[in-house]
Amino acid sequence: GAVVSQHPSRVICKSGTSVKIECRSLDFQATTMFWYRQFPKQSLMLMATSNEGSKATYEQGVEKDKFLINHASLTLSTLTVTSAHPEDSSFYICSARDAQGSEKLFFGSGTQLSVL
Amino acid sequence: QKEVEQDPGPLSVPEGAIVSLNCTYSNSAFQYFMWYRQYSRKGPELLMYTYSSGNKEDGRFTAQVDKSSKYISLFIRDSQPSDSATYLCAMSASSNYQLIWGAGTKLIIKP
Repeated sequence: GAVVSQHPSRVICKSGTSVKIECRSLDFQATTMFWYRQFPKQSLMLMATSNEGSKATYEQGVEKDKFLINHASLTLSTLTVTSAHPEDSSFYICSARDAQGSEKLFFGSGTQLSVL
Repeated sequence: QKEVEQDPGPLSVPEGAIVSLNCTYSNSAFQYFMWYRQYSRKGPELLMYTYSSGNKEDGRFTAQVDKSSKYISLFIRDSQPSDSATYLCAMSASSNYQLIWGAGTKLIIKP
């Protein structure tokens, strides 16, 4: 299957700092990537859809100024959590479809963010 | 009522048993059905993908879709401790459409 690489896998930061998470498609081009958030023992919650060369589409209730998404190339999308606070602590996962028209999603390994 | 219902478990079975995991859904427009496996603190991994009704087998895994009952299943034969993980079902109405996720079932295979 397609490979999606996500970094860092874990980050601990102080409250008020910004954290950037990278998501790369390694062996395919991803015009669309998805960013999810997952709380312990809960399912995935879609935060936003990242489109290469255009603005991201955010789900209801997700603050676009808080969670900045940039999809500057066909293989890279970044999520920046700005001015992070303890309530932003969560597991963040990116994913991508391996081709346009495909309904199969391939996921990165996730990033555990802990804000002190 | 959620669009996709999945028992969160945990489901604990002895090694070697046949495991049955299930999801029910309410939207009759769903056509694409997937099962993902997620180990703790890792991203989900696509296990099985099925379009419309029917069965699909891959090694020890069998996915079944019954659209008339709006019910999908994942069977694991000869279960191994390494199968211990959370299994999430996901489905969508058409390609390029947003996936709707089940809550995930935590599976524990006891040696």
